Amino acid sequence: GENVEQHPSTLSVQEGDSAVIKCTYSDSASNYFPWYKQELGKRPQLIIDIRSNVGEKKDQRIAVTLNKTAKHFSLHITETQPEDSAVYFCAAKGGFKTIFGAGTRLFVKA
Amino acid sequence: DTEVTQTPKHLVMGMTNKKSLKCEQHMGHRAMYWYKQKAKKPPELMFVYSYEKLSINESVPSRFSPECPNSSLLNLHLHALQPEDSALYLCASSQGVLYNSPLHFGNGTRLTVT
Repeated sequence: GENVEQHPSTLSVQEGDSAVIKCTYSDSASNYFPWYKQELGKRPQLIIDIRSNVGEKKDQRIAVTLNKTAKHFSLHITETQPEDSAVYFCAAKGGFKTIFGAGTRLFVKA
Repeated sequence: DTEVTQTPKHLVMGMTNKKSLKCEQHMGHRAMYWYKQKAKKPPELMFVYSYEKLSINESVPSRFSPECPNSSLLNLHLHALQPEDSALYLCASSQGVLYNSPLHFGNGTRLTVT
């Protein structure tokens, strides 16, 4: 079955710096890659997604890149702010299931 | 405001109790899901319903029994749970199981089994 690996598990950055989270997936049939943000005690919420026919997508300070050949996809957050502090999950979907990475706990220090 | 509503928010139950978790969505989504999330872990898929029919059961123990009464409602019936079943139970919906569209999560039910 599909396996999604996510790195790093913890990331600490200074406010204003950039943060990068990387994921790899195993199933070449996966064709949809959402990213979810989960704040403490809250539900996971979609922040950005990318489909396999696109290499890059940007939404204000957030961007996602996809390398289908290498089965890598990454989340880039620029100009980080304290409210970006949360757990971020990458995910991959091909078929019925959405498989989540283990999560990255991002700390943005003011 | 969340588009997927779950009740109750918190539930404490003994190992001999029977209880139910409820989930409702009015987005016209045709797929609904139950996930279990332990602290500091990702959501773990339990069940998938597509057009009110159970499509996936991820080898979940029979003490968890899902039910989809109609396209807007999803229940999870709990019976004879174990303390290790304590977790956050998340309901989610999406346009359809084969759509490349995101999951919309409810706020979850935090379950404690004593």
